[in-house]
Amino acid sequence: AIWMTQSPSLLSASTGDRVTISCRMSQGISSYLAWYQQKPGKAPELLIYAASTLQSGVPSRFSGSGSGTDFTLTISCLQSEDFATYYCQQYYSFPPTFGGGTKVEIK
Amino acid sequence: QVQLQESGPGLVKPSQTLSLTCTVSGGSISSGSYYWSWIRQPAGKGLEWIGRIYTSGSTNYNPSLKSRVTISVDTSKNQFSLKLSSVTAADTAVYYCARALIGWPFTYDYWGQGTLVTVSS
Repeated sequence: AIWMTQSPSLLSASTGDRVTISCRMSQGISSYLAWYQQKPGKAPELLIYAASTLQSGVPSRFSGSGSGTDFTLTISCLQSEDFATYYCQQYYSFPPTFGGGTKVEIK
Repeated sequence: QVQLQESGPGLVKPSQTLSLTCTVSGGSISSGSYYWSWIRQPAGKGLEWIGRIYTSGSTNYNPSLKSRVTISVDTSKNQFSLKLSSVTAADTAVYYCARALIGWPFTYDYWGQGTLVTVSS
């Protein structure tokens, strides 16, 4: 099984900040990684797949990078609507698994 | 615009079978371009992939749940369903249905709103 370590689990930030969230794998997964945003009481929304491909309709302030074992989600200029929980997901190994989540809260 | 909607009992007794249906609108479940999946999330916790079905009826299940899970599809109703047997309190969660493109088989671009299922006597 692939272990996923997502960090930090809680991130306090202000509107306009640049924030980065890390997802580290216990073994290489090439670029088989996705990122989701989830707001309270809502379903997750796909932001990025294939590690760095922006899903249609997602603002360009979101970006993803990395391959192998280390991946990063970056929000270049945090907006009020970006305060949410973010999950990484690997789909290199079956079954697909999700990271523990990073909650981005208002500082 | 594709929409997915979960439906089913919100309360299930321990040892019984949880049954949920996902109705797809705005697109045909038979298009052959998608996998249809179930994913769950216990309150305050992360996401767990349960399984998926293709239009042909071919299924894949999470090994941790495989002995208790059945996913089926009804193309005439544009629906797919989840059955989880012998439930315990640990199966209490919000259950989501979701869609993934064939080309990106485990990346979910459309989700239902989720339905809370509580296992309790």
